[in-house]
Amino acid sequence: DTAVSQTPKYLVTQMGNDKSIKCEQNLGHDTMYWYKQDSKKFLKIMFSYNNKELIINETVPNRFSPKSPDKAHLNLHINSLELGDSAVYFCASSYPAGIKETQYFGPGTRLLVL
Amino acid sequence: SQQGEEDPQALSIQEGENATMNCSYKTSINNLQWYRQNSGRGLVHLILIRSNEREKHSGRLRVTLDTSKKSSSLLITASRAADTASYFCATDEGGSNYKLTFGKGTLLTVNP
Repeated sequence: DTAVSQTPKYLVTQMGNDKSIKCEQNLGHDTMYWYKQDSKKFLKIMFSYNNKELIINETVPNRFSPKSPDKAHLNLHINSLELGDSAVYFCASSYPAGIKETQYFGPGTRLLVL
Repeated sequence: SQQGEEDPQALSIQEGENATMNCSYKTSINNLQWYRQNSGRGLVHLILIRSNEREKHSGRLRVTLDTSKKSSSLLITASRAADTASYFCATDEGGSNYKLTFGKGTLLTVNP
């Protein structure tokens, strides 16, 4: 029944490692997003995908590579993890803008880089 | 630069009281949305107000938008302990179709 799901929920890893976070939505939406929320709760857009195509890349380091195998999935792969990557990462989805702009968020993945 | 800025950063009230949170933004928008985030959870959409609307209601929520002042307010009436959460405003900065810009949020604590 979960509309937007993310795995894993928690991720603890060492600096320099490579990790992936998966996101799936069962709402039939065409647009998916990745956001980063820092320790001060500031939420910032990282990527927007529409129909598997990258629309927005908000000056994110190229160590972050999103991949959308189909409209229902948007995964985030992070290479060479750094301490500053520690944050909560949220996936979201919506209908294409102009139809309904409400975004539906996943529960978040708490990443801690040691 | 950050688009939405909420104030206050934190608000503590008693159950039954009203809570008012404000949001200011910098560029033109098509719409402004309010989201709620319970501790350790994802964001949940509350209400959307379009740039040609001045006020909108949804249950105990009332949102106003003043485009001349580039500001919005969220009023929660008759608050409940379950309303305890962080509240964020979000705008489609510059009318972007695929990007929401969030403010820093207001942490609301409703004491029973």
